[in-house]
Amino acid sequence: LAKTTQPISMDSYEGQEVNITCSHNNIATNDYITWYQQFPSQGPRFIIQGYKTKVTNEVASLFIPADRKSSTLSLPRVSLSDTAVYYCLVGDMDNTDKLIFGTGTRLQVFP
Amino acid sequence: ETGVTQSPTHLIKTRGQQVTLRCSSQSGHNTVSWYQQALGQGPQFIFQYYREEENGRGNFPPRFSGLQFPNYSSELNVNALELDDSALYLCASSADGEYYGYTFGSGTRLTVV
Repeated sequence: LAKTTQPISMDSYEGQEVNITCSHNNIATNDYITWYQQFPSQGPRFIIQGYKTKVTNEVASLFIPADRKSSTLSLPRVSLSDTAVYYCLVGDMDNTDKLIFGTGTRLQVFP
Repeated sequence: ETGVTQSPTHLIKTRGQQVTLRCSSQSGHNTVSWYQQALGQGPQFIFQYYREEENGRGNFPPRFSGLQFPNYSSELNVNALELDDSALYLCASSADGEYYGYTFGSGTRLTVV
């Protein structure tokens, strides 16, 4: 499983766009990139998943450059309720890899 | 559709005791994974059950064991509890282990004193 590296923490203000970058230099050809969000005392929640280029859903966008050695989760116009820990995971969906979490990025949104 | 339900929500045990945590998977999901999350850390993979068989295990000692039942619900058993076992225990279900389709419960907060 490819190892991921994320910033430990980030601060932002309401209404701003937040970009969290994840490094995964050893990503394999069959690996997908998945992001989860976790609030205190709750289980992680799936946000978005991608393989290459850009993926967008109602919550976030995921940007993946051509070499796929990094990815950026973009949260548009954050609110206080976006304060959470965000995890970047990399794994082979075809082989149903187990979800392996790192330490994540703790995002704090201020008013 | 129902989500993942874990019980109990909180539990206090004494060192050396045994504990059983329970998880009801989401309807239509046949795979259950268990995670341990210490304060300030990411969830650590304990093991996964697929159709009642263990399907992968993380770096946890044998005193961590599990079961999956025909209805795909699951139990996590921990024997000889240690203080370091204090953590949030999370259960996640998925359909055939689909990587993106994990649904997590809210966890059981275990405190060992």
